[in-house]
Amino acid sequence: AQRVTQPEKLLSVFKGAPVELKCNYSYSGSPELFWYVQYSRQRLQLLLRHISRESIKGFTADLNKGETSFHLKKPFAQEEDSAMYYCALSGLSVSARQLTFGSGTQLTVLP
Amino acid sequence: NAGVTQTPKFQVLKTGQSMTLQCAQDMNHNSMYWYRQDPGMGLRLIYYSASEGTTDKGEVPNGYNVSRLNKREFSLRLESAAPSQTSVYFCASSERGKGSPLHFGNGTRLTVT
Repeated sequence: AQRVTQPEKLLSVFKGAPVELKCNYSYSGSPELFWYVQYSRQRLQLLLRHISRESIKGFTADLNKGETSFHLKKPFAQEEDSAMYYCALSGLSVSARQLTFGSGTQLTVLP
Repeated sequence: NAGVTQTPKFQVLKTGQSMTLQCAQDMNHNSMYWYRQDPGMGLRLIYYSASEGTTDKGEVPNGYNVSRLNKREFSLRLESAAPSQTSVYFCASSERGKGSPLHFGNGTRLTVT
């Protein structure tokens, strides 16, 4: 079975401070990991995926297979980063094609 | 290009009533999904359709039925609504399914009294 854990339901940081949203996963094979974001009154959208190894809106996430983690990081948080963030996992087997989401972290960036 | 369109946006039902949530995508995606979003539980997959003509149960299928009407449309039906089905429902689509990014609709907020 595959599982995604986001231990923080709520996270508040001040503008300009570093932010890290934690994500741990459980999967027996090699998964694909994603971060999705939902801004207020907007639809859920893809933020980044680990295979792309890219930085989106200043956010990065590195897959650590040893620690089974995929934490989302940004060195200097902005107020417009306030949103709900979901970590998601896709198993590579045919039977596990659907995404499994974590419970989400509500990030608030304070002025 | 509207992406994924869900209707209605809001709905209030009484226990035992039935309704169908509609979803359509115009991106020619093969796979479509229905999720529910509940506080503290994230998004949980109800049903998905890997391709036209196929549907499969997800994590929480009880109390729901789905129909993949054609490649564009994937509907979710509640035959006899219960208060436990009060939630926000999201439809999504993806190009290939496995590992492909999901494109979400705006959601339907359903309240069952």
